[in-house]
Amino acid sequence: GAGVSQSPRYKVAKRGQDVALRCDPISGHVSLFWYQQALGQGPEFLTYFQNEAQLDKSGLPSDRFFAERPEGSVSTLKIQRTQQEDSAVYLCASSLAAVGAEQYFGPGTRLTVT
Amino acid sequence: QKEVEQNSGPLSVPEGAIASLNCTYSDRGSQSFFWYRQYSGKSPELIMFIYSNGDKEDGRFTAQLNKASQYVSLLIRDSQPSDSATYLCAVLIYNQGGKLIFGQGTELSVKP
Repeated sequence: GAGVSQSPRYKVAKRGQDVALRCDPISGHVSLFWYQQALGQGPEFLTYFQNEAQLDKSGLPSDRFFAERPEGSVSTLKIQRTQQEDSAVYLCASSLAAVGAEQYFGPGTRLTVT
Repeated sequence: QKEVEQNSGPLSVPEGAIASLNCTYSDRGSQSFFWYRQYSGKSPELIMFIYSNGDKEDGRFTAQLNKASQYVSLLIRDSQPSDSATYLCAVLIYNQGGKLIFGQGTELSVKP
């Protein structure tokens, strides 16, 4: 079946612009995660949804970052007033179960802030 | 101390050899362990997961877990040039929700 999809795959934003990154999880997957991956590093957790409920947003680096999953399927990560340090690959992952199941990653969105 | 530590490498092995990738973790509450492979410019791809002490084999891959030593490893038998990638170790701590905590990854290079 179809895997996790993300769009856009690449985004260039000028500093100060707002961006919105979309994630479409595997159909039927309850849990959805956002991670941020800097070059040469492992992914770092940003936030987690179980269905439409955002259960953990402890990894969001500032109040400029906001995520939603209003109908329990597609999720959007929004970054307001982008800064250069926001440049990274943003990965979305989904899993079938609430906790503990394997997570499957989408292709990621590479954000470059100039 | 980082929660999950891996040698960044690069680890270089000849084709056909066994590649051994290691990972240590600091939180004794860690309960599930995952190995992901990440090719350059691509997203992480799940290879194996392990929950219980001991070995788990899947084809050319074997994951080994020792909770007493807080150590998890991945062995790749008969390494192929196509195995050249970065291997990410991730742990899941149930009382921290469902998030994965990743190491920085070990770069593996398999030389023909």
